[in-house]
Amino acid sequence: DAGITQSPRHKVTETGTPVTLRCHQTENHRYMYWYRQDPGHGLRLIHYSYGVKDTDKGEVSDGYSVSRSKTEDFLLTLESATSSQTSVYFCAIKDSGSKYNEQFFGPGTRLTVL
Amino acid sequence: AQSVTQLDSQVPVFEEAPVELRCNYSSSVSVYLFWYVQYPNQGLQLLLKYLSGSTLVKGINGFEAEFNKSQTSFHLRKPSVHISDTAEYFCAVSALDDKIIFGKGTRLHILP
Repeated sequence: DAGITQSPRHKVTETGTPVTLRCHQTENHRYMYWYRQDPGHGLRLIHYSYGVKDTDKGEVSDGYSVSRSKTEDFLLTLESATSSQTSVYFCAIKDSGSKYNEQFFGPGTRLTVL
Repeated sequence: AQSVTQLDSQVPVFEEAPVELRCNYSSSVSVYLFWYVQYPNQGLQLLLKYLSGSTLVKGINGFEAEFNKSQTSFHLRKPSVHISDTAEYFCAVSALDDKIIFGKGTRLHILP
């Protein structure tokens, strides 16, 4: 158990509204990631962070922003949600102590944009 | 850049039969290879990992994978599946950087 929680676990919102998803970790890992999972696409990286206030874009970053003001929290914001952002969102951390670079995942947030 | 191809989107198999889930990757550099499992309505769980050494890697729940450098493959196998193995399986690759590239997943259906 990598001590990762995500909130909320489920959310239904309307097109055009802002949405913020939270990822919280308890083990002081430096690297954190946000992915979205869609049928037929697997997991795709949205943004990642390599330290407090240090973030970078992933494969599908358009329409998303992130912030990391504390080591333990990584926030994903949809400034103006669209129906194409309906998805399951997963947060992950990289095990800094492992030579394998493996990532461990949170339980996910199911977001529906109507 | 790295890429991962999972050759089957769905694999049906009878309970207690063997199964192989196929994965091919491309990379110009040495990579880490992973298999993750996702049970229904859950997050991803690491099944096994490979960097170097023995080409046969054993993971949790009786799964194993074989690395084949010449064929750039990392197929996942289990000699006898159970109904509890019903899940989606993801092959993934990471170069010596901070990102992991995932395949599109293979759904394993266990038939009674």
